[in-house]
Amino acid sequence: QSVLTQPPSVSGTPGQSVTISCSGSSSNIGSNNVLWYQHLPGTAPKPLIYRNYQRPSGVPDRFSGSKSGTSASLAISGLRSEDEADYYCAAWDDSLGGRLFGGGTKLTVL
Amino acid sequence: EVQLVESGGGLVKPGGSLRLSCAASGFTFSLYHMNWVRQAPGKGLEWLSSTDTSGGDIHYAASVRGRFTISRDNARNSLFLQMNSLRAEDTAVYYCAREDRLQSFDFWGQGILVTVSS
Repeated sequence: QSVLTQPPSVSGTPGQSVTISCSGSSSNIGSNNVLWYQHLPGTAPKPLIYRNYQRPSGVPDRFSGSKSGTSASLAISGLRSEDEADYYCAAWDDSLGGRLFGGGTKLTVL
Repeated sequence: EVQLVESGGGLVKPGGSLRLSCAASGFTFSLYHMNWVRQAPGKGLEWLSSTDTSGGDIHYAASVRGRFTISRDNARNSLFLQMNSLRAEDTAVYYCAREDRLQSFDFWGQGILVTVSS
């Protein structure tokens, strides 16, 4: 069981919006930046969000991140079939002295 | 073009050792922190270890601390992970990842499979 808690799965239809939550604690999300990654099976994970809400160049603005207290969220609007992937939140944990990944959320585009 | 290429994976018996390498190219390797991350079959991503630019500031996940050792050779643009006392639960695809100044893992290798089985 991960210290950063994500729902195992979310789904939506093309064009819809979905939100993936990531719940942590004061030692990780509460005091450090949150990052989000997209991972398609058999490929290298791709960074989507850094510093809680900022997007690397090339990431569409359909992807947005937010953080409040000890929780963070990734919102994806205008769902496309190519968005079907696993999504992970990540943060440094001051107590553990290391990086944490959430358990991952599988997004299905119906 | 930034490239990270892992090598050294394979099949090893429980209790055995393996040394993974990650060859970096397309950027100034000595300027970046580097990390190892793995994904066990059917599981999520798990961060394992990080090193700063010189190898002087190193961190490990509790699951591998005392068994795995991260190191780097800036002259050879290479990152390493020495894995000892391997267990069945260490079976996974292992990735090396570059960490940018914003603490994001901005480039990843394609991964290398390590299988621990008798």
